[in-house]
This record gives sequence, C-alpha cells and structure tokens, in this order.
Amino acid sequence: GAVVSQHPSWVICKSGTSVKIECRSLDFQATTMFWYRQFPKQSLMLMATSNEGSKATYEQGVEKDKFLINHASLTLSTLTVTSAHPEDSSFYICSARGQRREENTIYFGEGSWLTVV
Amino acid sequence: QKEVEQDPGPLSVPEGAIVSLNCTYSNSAFQYFMWYRQYSRKGPELLMYTYSSGNKEDGRFTAQVDKSSKYISLFIRDSQPSDSATYLCAMSFTGNQFYFGTGTSLTVIP
Repeated sequence: GAVVSQHPSWVICKSGTSVKIECRSLDFQATTMFWYRQFPKQSLMLMATSNEGSKATYEQGVEKDKFLINHASLTLSTLTVTSAHPEDSSFYICSARGQRREENTIYFGEGSWLTVV
Repeated sequence: QKEVEQDPGPLSVPEGAIVSLNCTYSNSAFQYFMWYRQYSRKGPELLMYTYSSGNKEDGRFTAQVDKSSKYISLFIRDSQPSDSATYLCAMSFTGNQFYFGTGTSLTVIP
C-alpha cells in the first residue's frame, strides 16, 4: 500500500473559499515534504518544500499567502489554498522524504484533484 | 539547458515487447537516480532507486546508470498493458532537492 497518504482525493469548492489538503507519511517520519502542482499532460511543478517545525520554502512565482503550508509534525503536512479561484483548479501532489530504507528518495501521495467552481 | 532531459513520447509498443526509456542529465554531481510510474490521475509511484552507477533489477524492470555518459535508462521486459503509464525519471545530488524529467508516456497495446 501507499506509504504516503493524501486526503482528500477529490474536492470541489466554490470560488472564494479555502480548501485544505493533508499529506501523511504512514510508516516513517518525514523530515521534509514537498508540494507539487501538475497540469494535464505536464510534468510536476514544485511549489514549496517544507521541513518539520520550520517555515516552508516557496518556489519563485508561488504565492505564499495563497498556498499556506504547515508541517507541524513529522508525519503530517497540510496545504491550504486560500480564497480559491477557478485558475487554482489543478492536481496537487505531496511527497515525503524521511528515514526509511532508501533515505535519499521521495515517496508521493496519491494526489488531490481540486476543482474550483 | 534543463538539468534533466526526457523524451516525452508518446511511445507505443505491442504487448511482450522490451521497452527502453531514457533520460540524460547535465550535472555530473547527481548521485541518486529514480524512476517513477504515474498512472493517469494518480500520484507517481517509486519503481526503481539507484545510487551512483550500475544496474539494478527488480522483476521485469532494470534500471541502468551510466555516469560517464550522464545517461540513465529503464528497461521493461515482457511489457504488459498494465505498464501503460507515464514514466518519470528523477535525480538528486544529496537527497534534499529532486530534479524531474518531463515524463515519457507509454502505451502497451494488447
């Protein structure tokens, strides 16, 4: 089964509301988590890197006030899309790096489809 | 120049064929190499992980790293329709930052 769980898998929200996506590492402690966005038939676009207990590092062009990332524990990181608009509709994927077997690799969640109407 | 180059395909092969997927990279400092499989509308799944050069085999999958040529490959033997997916290569210097190819779309035709 998946070692990184992401929830919800699908979410539809109204424009102007906020949506929270959770990413959990199930059988290891994730010292670092990454959040990506992926448009159809395109590659992964890194949005931010979060280390447990510290502020996330955002990639250039990603609005930190719009995409709030919290990594409060070694097994949980959350991405909150604030005041969502239709252009925020996308596939959001988290990944986690931690102390497990192949330490210098990352494991992905199942992804979350966000549709803003 | 991108750090990692990967032919996007699409690639179509008949069932049972041997598939070869490749990535090239520009920075010789990469040490960790990965291949992920991504089905439509799902998150990527780690298939193979290799440290430094050499080959690694897991069932029908073989990963090769040629650091002298800055070239990595994933071979799929006896390909199955269930192998139809997008394959992403990824690499890292130290395990803190990861660089991805754009992905190769593979279709295995029954």
